[in-house]
Amino acid sequence: NAGVTQTPKFQVLKTGQSMTLQCAQDMNHNSMYWYRQDPGMGLRLIYYSASEGTTDKGEVPNGYNVSRLNKREFSLRLESAAPSQTSVYFCASSEESGGPNEQFFGPGTRLTVL
Amino acid sequence: SQKIEQNSEALNIQEGKTATLTCNYTNYSPAYLQWYRQDPGRGPVFLLLIRENEKEKRKERLKVTFDTTLKQSLFHITASQPADSATYLCALDIDGNNRLAFGKGNQVVVIP
Repeated sequence: NAGVTQTPKFQVLKTGQSMTLQCAQDMNHNSMYWYRQDPGMGLRLIYYSASEGTTDKGEVPNGYNVSRLNKREFSLRLESAAPSQTSVYFCASSEESGGPNEQFFGPGTRLTVL
Repeated sequence: SQKIEQNSEALNIQEGKTATLTCNYTNYSPAYLQWYRQDPGRGPVFLLLIRENEKEKRKERLKVTFDTTLKQSLFHITASQPADSATYLCALDIDGNNRLAFGKGNQVVVIP
C-alpha cells in the first residue's frame, strides 16, 4: 500500500516550458487535491476533484490545469511555466469531500522555473 | 480578509515539557479544524481533527482544543520528545466539503 505517490520528485524548467505533474493514490479515495507550498506561506489549494469526473478551482488556479484521469490518478499541468510557479507541489487524497476527512499527502514535487 | 495565524517563531522546548501551539483565525466559520505534522522535505501527515461542537480531543500525548468564540485552537504535546521536533500545521474547513485552508505552520524544536 503505497498511499499517495507523485512523480517526478524534482524538476527544473525554463520559462515557457510545459510539464505535467503526476499523482496517484491506491486507497480507493474519491477526492483528490493539488496544493503548492511556498516559503513563509501556508499550503494553498490549486485545484481539487471531489469525485471522479469532476474538478474545481481552488484558491490559486491561474496558470494550471488538471485532469482526473480515473479514480486513482489526478494530474496537474503547467502549460507555460513562469518563475512565480517555482514551488513545492503536494498532491493529497481523502475518502470523501463532504464532511470531515483527513487528507493523505504525497511526498511532493520540487519545481524550479528559471 | 480571511486569515489563519500561527506563530512564525520556532518554539524551543526542553524534553519532557509540554509544548503549546496556537492557531487563531478571522473571518472563517469552520465546522471542524485539523492539525498536521510536517517534517523537512516531506508531505504533511494528519494528526487530529476536532469539530466545532467538541471542546477538546486527545490522542496519546496530543491534545487539541477548539474555541469558536475566541476563534482559536490550541495544540498541546505533553511529555515532549526530540522526535516531536517538526512543523505543525493548522487547517480549517472552509466550506464543509473538506476544502482546507492552512496556516503557515509553527516549528517545534525539542531539546534533549
